[in-house]
Amino acid sequence: KNEVEQSPQNLTAQEGEFITINCSYSVGISALHWLQQHPGGGIVSLFMLSSGKKKHGRLIATINIQEKHSSLHITASHPRDSAVYICAVRLGNEKLTFGTGTRLTIIP
Amino acid sequence: GAGVSQSPSNKVTEKGKDVELRCDPISGHTALYWYRQRLGQGLEFLIYFQGNSAPDKSGLPSDRFSAERTGESVSTLTIQRTQQEDSAVYLCASSFAGGGAQYFGPGTRLLVL
Repeated sequence: KNEVEQSPQNLTAQEGEFITINCSYSVGISALHWLQQHPGGGIVSLFMLSSGKKKHGRLIATINIQEKHSSLHITASHPRDSAVYICAVRLGNEKLTFGTGTRLTIIP
Repeated sequence: GAGVSQSPSNKVTEKGKDVELRCDPISGHTALYWYRQRLGQGLEFLIYFQGNSAPDKSGLPSDRFSAERTGESVSTLTIQRTQQEDSAVYLCASSFAGGGAQYFGPGTRLLVL
């Protein structure tokens, strides 16, 4: 079993829909990252959080340390949001352990 | 520079040859990470440098893989006697300090024939 599990693996939605991607992990962590990987392969760091909630534009990330769970939400989704979203956790040392990613496709 | 840069962007090599991949982190970033992403798979941690501390090499898949970093600047990842299973995108990231937000480079796409 992976230490980091994401769901769903694939998600297709209509433009404008509210999107939720989930990440669960099995061990104690010091921080959790949400990354976005575009079809060309480039990776962008969206959020790093260790508690609570962060918001940037239409993106919101939440984490519940007790439940070992994080969610990434996208409001008013747009086709340009189509990408692979990756959850990664830091296990106390500095290296990241990655989930397998959620492939999001937003249809106009 | 404005971001993390990597070179070459693409590399095709023959099985058994050595390759060297380069990463230039963001100026001032003390932490540098190498990752690998095989086709259709998730990211794998390879190695982590933080300042002058001994690097965390726990992710290197075999002794054919090695990496160096000069101070807090450029890093090179060397793969000796390449194998076909080494084909992947090799990504470098840097952060202001260990544990900070990581900024990724564009990657080097390696194909071993």
